[in-house]
Amino acid sequence: SQTIHQWPATLVQPVGSPLSLECTVEGTSNPNLYWYRQAAGRGLQLLFYSVGIGQISSEVPQNLSASRPQDRQFILSSKKLLLSDSGFYLCAWSVGPGHTFGSGTRLTVV
Amino acid sequence: QKEVEQDPGPLSVPEGAIVSLNCTYSNSAFQYFMWYRQYSRKGPELLMYTYSSGNKEDGRFTAQVDKSSKYISLFIRDSQPSDSATYLCAIRGGSNYKLTFGKGTLLTVNP
Repeated sequence: SQTIHQWPATLVQPVGSPLSLECTVEGTSNPNLYWYRQAAGRGLQLLFYSVGIGQISSEVPQNLSASRPQDRQFILSSKKLLLSDSGFYLCAWSVGPGHTFGSGTRLTVV
Repeated sequence: QKEVEQDPGPLSVPEGAIVSLNCTYSNSAFQYFMWYRQYSRKGPELLMYTYSSGNKEDGRFTAQVDKSSKYISLFIRDSQPSDSATYLCAIRGGSNYKLTFGKGTLLTVNP
């Protein structure tokens, strides 16, 4: 069966520090991969999606970037975090209409 | 006009009640309609998805799509305290990988 791993579960980082969140998927090949952010009162916002290794599409101009170095690995990064980067970050994958989400990383920038 | 509108609630009902959750959308090109459930501090999980207008039933849950009105609904029968969560509608176009989510409705079922 397919599983998605996302870590860490919680993270507190100072403003200006770098960020790296990792997501891996098991049990499937060539999935579409996604990074979402969920902020209070704003719903789920798609940040990046990838249809293959090295192929990244950005949905929202921001302080973040994404990379897909391997078929089932998706990384969200930032060189310098802002207070506004705080939120709940979710990785997801799909091979059909619906997306399967990871357990999320709650990021607090202080 | 936003692509997907969902009443954020909160909605509080007694155990055993029938719950109705709704979303409206603006783009007639949307073809896939989904409902997710999200418990506090967890990722959303897919409850149901439908491709066409009509009803789809799964246990106590019924998803309804009316493409002519651009209106989708989720009904929960015999609601349980374990149904307490945020429910998000999500919609997707035919060839587009992306989902557009509503903001979610917070439901509390009181024992």
